[in-house]
Amino acid sequence: AQKITQTQPGMFVQEKEAVTLDCTYDTSDPSYGLFWYKQPSSGEMIFLIYQGSYDQQNATEGRYSLNFQKARKSANLVISASQLGDSAMYFCAMRDHTNTGNQFYFGTGTSLTVIP
Amino acid sequence: DTGVSQDPRHKITKRGQNVTFRCDPISEHNRLYWYRQTLGQGPEFLTYFQNEAQLEKSRLLSDRFSAERPKGSFSTLEIQRTEQGDSAMYLCASSFGRGDTQYFGPGTRLTVL
Repeated sequence: AQKITQTQPGMFVQEKEAVTLDCTYDTSDPSYGLFWYKQPSSGEMIFLIYQGSYDQQNATEGRYSLNFQKARKSANLVISASQLGDSAMYFCAMRDHTNTGNQFYFGTGTSLTVIP
Repeated sequence: DTGVSQDPRHKITKRGQNVTFRCDPISEHNRLYWYRQTLGQGPEFLTYFQNEAQLEKSRLLSDRFSAERPKGSFSTLEIQRTEQGDSAMYLCASSFGRGDTQYFGPGTRLTVL
């Protein structure tokens, strides 16, 4: 089974509108972390937001918020007030543990295009 | 600049040659990670270090891949006897503290001819 699933290969959003990028995950580890990264066409991976499995509240960082639904194993990223500079690939990622140590998994990404 | 740095940024080599990439993490970060990213895919975790100890290496792609972090600071990733399938972007990241939030370097793009 895929550890991280991003079902939206591409998304379009009008400038200044909000957009939700979907992410579901699979782990049996009770202690895990969820991350979102942005990768513009220039290639660098930029950290956006983190949610720990024991965090009671949804994480927020400026215009980014993470809609964490533990029972559904989903960790959707919400970008409010989209800007042209938000056009990029977005990756959902997870850290969990096995008996050999920490493991990290990334999804296949969602390409977001912001339309003026 | 105090971010993660990688060298070289681009490497072109012939099949069968050995290549080595260097990563310098953010100075106060004790964990360092290596990933491979191919076109259209997300990063694929290879290995990581806590200080100089390599804590996870079961996901290195083959025995041609090896990584070191001898003094707990910079790290090197070596690929021996390169193959065309090794062509990819190799990313390094470092982290410290809560959540293992990783900060990535700009990557080394490898092309094997």
